[in-house]
Amino acid sequence: QVRLQESGPRLVKPSETLSLTCTVSGGSINSHFWSWVRQPAGKGLEWIGRLYIGGSTIYNASLQSRVVMSVDTSRNQFFLKLTSLTAADTAVYFCTRDHVLVVGDVPHYFGMDVWGPGTTVTVSS
Amino acid sequence: DTQLTQSPSTLSASVGDKVSITCRASQSVDTWLAWYQQKPGKAPKLLIYKASSLESGVPSRFSGSGSGTEFTLTITSLQPDDFATYYCQHSNSYFGPGTKVDIK
Repeated sequence: QVRLQESGPRLVKPSETLSLTCTVSGGSINSHFWSWVRQPAGKGLEWIGRLYIGGSTIYNASLQSRVVMSVDTSRNQFFLKLTSLTAADTAVYFCTRDHVLVVGDVPHYFGMDVWGPGTTVTVSS
Repeated sequence: DTQLTQSPSTLSASVGDKVSITCRASQSVDTWLAWYQQKPGKAPKLLIYKASSLESGVPSRFSGSGSGTEFTLTITSLQPDDFATYYCQHSNSYFGPGTKVDIK
C-alpha cells in the first residue's frame, strides 16, 4: 500500500526557510492530490496546503504568503517550503494523500486517507 | 473561510458508553466533512468521509451524520482503543479544534 515519509531539518533558525520533502512509496504520485498538515505540541491540526500533480495549489489563507508547495514526479516526491520562520512555526509536520475527485469542475472530497508519521521541526536560534 | 467548532472540547466516558461529538460549520459545507482519530505521538487516522461514509477498515461502532452546518460523530459501545482526540475537517482543508475523549 501507499506509504509516505517526511524528511528535512529538525532545527531551523528564525527568519530562515523550512524545506521539507515527502517521499511516496508503494504507489504513484500521479493522479492524486497531496497535502501538508502541521501540529504544534499539545495543540490541534492545521492544514497548510494542497497540491495537485497537474500543478495547481491551494494554501491556507493564513499561511499563503509564506508557503510554496511543489512536486517532482520523477522521484515520487513533493515538497513544502515555508519562509520567514518564527517560533510559532515549531510543530510536527505531516504529509498526506488527499482523496479528492474532480468531476467536471467540481471537487469531491473524501478525506486524507494516507498520512506520513510526521517530522518534528523546531524553530530556534 | 469556513470555521469549524467542536463540542465538547473534552468528554469523559467509560468503556461501553455511547458517545457523540458535534462539529458545527460557520457556513454550509454540504456533506464535505471528515472525521479523524488521533492518538498521542501518532498521525491522525481517517474514520469518516463525506459526513457519513465509513473508511475501509474502521469498526462499525463509528458512525457519522449531518449535512450543511451541523455534524455528529457517534461511537457506540466505547472501547479501550477509542480513547483519543477526534477532529472534524471540511473539504479536505480546515480542521476543527478537536475533542479529547478520556477515561471517566
